[in-house]
Amino acid sequence: KQEVTQIPAALSVPEGENLVLNCSFTDSAIYNLQWFRQDPGKGLTSLLLIQSSQREQTSGRLNASLDKSSGRSTLYIAASQPGDSATYLCAGISGGSNYKLTFGKGTLLTVNP
Amino acid sequence: EAEVAQSPRYKITEKSQAVAFWCDPISGHATLYWYRQILGQGPELLVQFQDESVVDDSQLPKDRFSAERLKGVDSTLKIQPAELGDSAMYLCASSLAQTPSGEQFFGPGTRLTVL
Repeated sequence: KQEVTQIPAALSVPEGENLVLNCSFTDSAIYNLQWFRQDPGKGLTSLLLIQSSQREQTSGRLNASLDKSSGRSTLYIAASQPGDSATYLCAGISGGSNYKLTFGKGTLLTVNP
Repeated sequence: EAEVAQSPRYKITEKSQAVAFWCDPISGHATLYWYRQILGQGPELLVQFQDESVVDDSQLPKDRFSAERLKGVDSTLKIQPAELGDSAMYLCASSLAQTPSGEQFFGPGTRLTVL
């Protein structure tokens, strides 16, 4: 059974700092990995999807990497802003006939002005 | 931009009452998912539909939960009777049936509070 762990559970940084969020998974046979953002009381917004054939994906100030052999993914946020404050969730996508997402518990990020 | 729609956004009910949530996926998305997210946890899959057929409901508490997608488009998730432990965010997601990526798109969710 796939298990996904996110470290740290919470992170507080000053505005402008670069930061890294970590995600580890137990089953290296994951198909792809997806990072989401969730604002308080809201749904999930997809940030980046890394396919198994890729090692990283970039969107603006966000860069996500995937190392299937070590069972790890990282989300790098450059020049953080107060508007980046949210919970960040990673999810491993299992393949087969039905794609299934297994989520971590998330990292609560607070960027202080 | 196409989005997954859900209603209501918030629902407060008393235990033993019945509640229902509605989801309209992105047009053309044949696969629809219902997730439950308890505060402080990641979402967990309750049920997955491919068109109108259930393909995975292994984590759905079938004694009180039911889900349907009669015409293969929108879907309803029902809880009867609601219990205190059902208080959570209920999220709907959709994806293309044949997407090579498995990427899912989520709606805004329904926040359920059971008193």
